[in-house]
Amino acid sequence: GAVVSQHPSRVICKSGTSVKIECRSLDFQATTMFWYRQFPKQSLMLMATSNEGSKATYEQGVEKDKFLINHASLTLSTLTVTSAHPEDSSFYICSARALTPYQETQYFGPGTRLLVL
Amino acid sequence: KQEVTQIPAALSVPEGENLVLNCSFTDSAIYNLQWFRQDPGKGLTSLLLIQSSQREQTSGRLNASLDKSSGRSTLYIAASQPGDSATYLCAVDYNQGGKLIFGQGTELSVKP
Repeated sequence: GAVVSQHPSRVICKSGTSVKIECRSLDFQATTMFWYRQFPKQSLMLMATSNEGSKATYEQGVEKDKFLINHASLTLSTLTVTSAHPEDSSFYICSARALTPYQETQYFGPGTRLLVL
Repeated sequence: KQEVTQIPAALSVPEGENLVLNCSFTDSAIYNLQWFRQDPGKGLTSLLLIQSSQREQTSGRLNASLDKSSGRSTLYIAASQPGDSATYLCAVDYNQGGKLIFGQGTELSVKP
């Protein structure tokens, strides 16, 4: 089946630093990738939709200058949390929607646990 | 506002029992609905996807139904096993764009 990886799986950083999270589709091409955030005991909330070669579309309330998204190729999207603060500590999950024949299904990465001290 | 709600938030059952998880959505004009499984600290695994034109989907011991008119979906798990313990999430795609709206999840615990 289709596999999506994320790197790193866990990161601890100091307040004020920037953190980059990579999302890769390993065995398929994804024109669209999605970034979600999940707080403890809560569901996933969509942050932004990332399309290859174009600017990301952010959901209401998500600061685009704080959460920089780059979708440079059909297999890689990156999320950079700039000037991270403790309230940014969360579980970040990406998903990728494949081109045919699997285009109806999203494949999720294993997630990245971010802890900002 | 398009919202997805799951009841119950948590469920504990003895091994072997059949169980039903519920998902409701406020706007019936969906494109598709998916059920996912999430193990603690892990990503999501897609279990079943139901298109808006379908009534149900089955995979092994899992059966998902969809009733758009009432805004409801159920996930039926037959002969539950301890390995089924996880959080189950339903998610709705409203516009084929792939943007999923998730429910809060049902945390299932199957006791040996």
